[in-house]
Amino acid sequence: SQTIHQWPATLVQPVGSPLSLECTVEGTSNPNLYWYRQAAGRGLQLLFYSVGIGQISSEVPQNLSASRPQDRQFILSSKKLLLSDSGFYLCAWSVEKRSNYGYTFGSGTRLTVV
Amino acid sequence: AQSVTQLDSQVPVFEEAPVELRCNYSSSVSVYLFWYVQYPNQGLQLLLKYLSGSTLVKGINGFEAEFNKSQTSFHLRKPSVHISDTAEYFCAVSAIIKAAGNKLTFGGGTRVLVKP
Repeated sequence: SQTIHQWPATLVQPVGSPLSLECTVEGTSNPNLYWYRQAAGRGLQLLFYSVGIGQISSEVPQNLSASRPQDRQFILSSKKLLLSDSGFYLCAWSVEKRSNYGYTFGSGTRLTVV
Repeated sequence: AQSVTQLDSQVPVFEEAPVELRCNYSSSVSVYLFWYVQYPNQGLQLLLKYLSGSTLVKGINGFEAEFNKSQTSFHLRKPSVHISDTAEYFCAVSAIIKAAGNKLTFGGGTRVLVKP
């Protein structure tokens, strides 16, 4: 069966420090991968998605970047965190080109920038 | 492009009372429809989805939703809620096309607070 792992679960980082959040999927190949953010009291904001290794699409300009170095690995990064980067970050995967499967989400990372 | 509107941002409800969460969508093509639930500090879980066939869809935890094509709605219902149903609920749509990056479009979410 397919599983998605996301870590760490919680993270407290000072302003200006770097960030690296990792997401891996098991039990499937060539998944579509997504990074979402939920700011306090707000809905889901799609940050990045990827349809293959090295292929990253950015939905909104921001202080973050994403990379997909392997088929089932998706990394969210920042060189210098801002206070506004605080939020709940969710990774998700879906079956390539199959829109009827929906998404499967990871358990999320709570990032607090202080 | 698709858009999803969840008409209620918060819904307070007493335990054992029924609840309905409203979802309307807009799309120029046919869509699949989904409801997700998010418990505090957790990821989203799929409650149910409509792909085709019967317009009444049953999901997990006693939830059901009805697809109404003429009204472009996909409202979620539960006849009797429990304290454990306190969560945020998201409606989402996906265009019925085979394309790379088949993105879901999410509504803004509805927070359900079940009171004893």
